[in-house]
Amino acid sequence: DAGVIQSPRHEVTEMGQEVTLRCKPISGHNSLFWYRQTMMRGLELLIYFNNNVPIDDSGMPEDRFSAKMPNASFSTLKIQPSEPRDSAVYFCASSFGGSSETQYFGPGTRLLVL
Amino acid sequence: GENVEQHPSTLSVQEGDSAVIKCTYSDSASNYFPWYKQELGKRPQLIIDIRSNVGEKKDQRIAVTLNKTAKHFSLHITETQPEDSAVYFCADSSYKLIFGSGTRLLVRP
Repeated sequence: DAGVIQSPRHEVTEMGQEVTLRCKPISGHNSLFWYRQTMMRGLELLIYFNNNVPIDDSGMPEDRFSAKMPNASFSTLKIQPSEPRDSAVYFCASSFGGSSETQYFGPGTRLLVL
Repeated sequence: GENVEQHPSTLSVQEGDSAVIKCTYSDSASNYFPWYKQELGKRPQLIIDIRSNVGEKKDQRIAVTLNKTAKHFSLHITETQPEDSAVYFCADSSYKLIFGSGTRLLVRP
């Protein structure tokens, strides 16, 4: 199994640009999570999908952030417009059975907004 | 709201000694308590977890204990090795995972 796949691994962009992060969960997993990690705020859950349906998006910072899961094997996290304070590592994770089952993390996307 | 407090924030031990990291949670409905290890520049990886119907779980040199009455759980690493050096995160889950702030463990050779 390839594990959770994320792309790109690194992204450098200028303030105001649109950023799209991509995630492919482990085949067969029905839950997908987007996390953001920074030194100041640690690991924060942004949004959580179960069977492609958003269950909890209370961690999404503001309207500039949006996430979709059009099918069981693909999800995107979009930031538009991006700001320097969005600079962080964004992790996607998946599990079989929700938050109370083992979550497997992808390698992360390191985002730098100049 | 949900909150997980983790202590200490940094921990330095001599190789071969034990390390203990403690977490306290606030949500009475929490029923799942995983521990993740994150090496520098890498992804968090699950090392051990425990559910609310169990008081202790061991896996070789790693053990986790849970005290539901006091709402705290701890990670114990025995016979530490330099490769145990990393940041360790506790988490708890009732309907979503809430992570602690992390403990940076340094094992001195």
